[in-house]
Amino acid sequence: GIQVEQSPPDLILQEGANSTLRCNFSDSVNNLQWFHQNPWGQLINLFYIPSGTKQNGRLSATTVATERYSLLYISSSQTTDSGVYFCAVFGGTSGSRLTFGEGTQLTVNP
Amino acid sequence: GAGVSQSPRYKVAKRGQDVALRCDPISGHVSLFWYQQALGQGPEFLTYFQNEAQLDKSGLPSDRFFAERPEGSVSTLKIQRTQQEDSAVYLCASSPIPLGTQYFGPGTRLTVL
Repeated sequence: GIQVEQSPPDLILQEGANSTLRCNFSDSVNNLQWFHQNPWGQLINLFYIPSGTKQNGRLSATTVATERYSLLYISSSQTTDSGVYFCAVFGGTSGSRLTFGEGTQLTVNP
Repeated sequence: GAGVSQSPRYKVAKRGQDVALRCDPISGHVSLFWYQQALGQGPEFLTYFQNEAQLDKSGLPSDRFFAERPEGSVSTLKIQRTQQEDSAVYLCASSPIPLGTQYFGPGTRLTVL
């Protein structure tokens, strides 16, 4: 099945800093989503972005489908941005199931 | 409701007990998914429904796991004779169309003692 790798696994920032999270995938995709899992375990949709670039406030994402990667940018980070960020895809032979990466644990310190 | 809801939020079971976990998807959503998330890992796919039809159950880890969605809305994931390795968070997601954006519920945390 399709493989998803996220980097870095852990990231510690000071409030106000910018960061870039990366997601590599092993096959062509029909869907790519970025999620933020908050400390209570809720998966919050950030972007549906199988290709192209989208922006939502301080967050933006770019997916280069031909090169099989996606990037999530967080600018002017806040303590409330802390949590785990997951990239998830479906495509290849995986049907409609989302295959998740292992996540990036982000900690933003005041 | 406004989002996907799941109940119960927490469940403690003794080894060998049967449990039933409920998912209420967003109204009108055609597709419904169940995922299992172990501590410190990403969610892993269990099964997928399109309306009442279970189209993919390849992720169910054993025949102790069973899911249904009889009227194409609410779904139940049942685990028979629970084992300690079944301890995890069980997440439900729904999507308005096949291959569309998936929206997740808050999960049910199952602990098997």
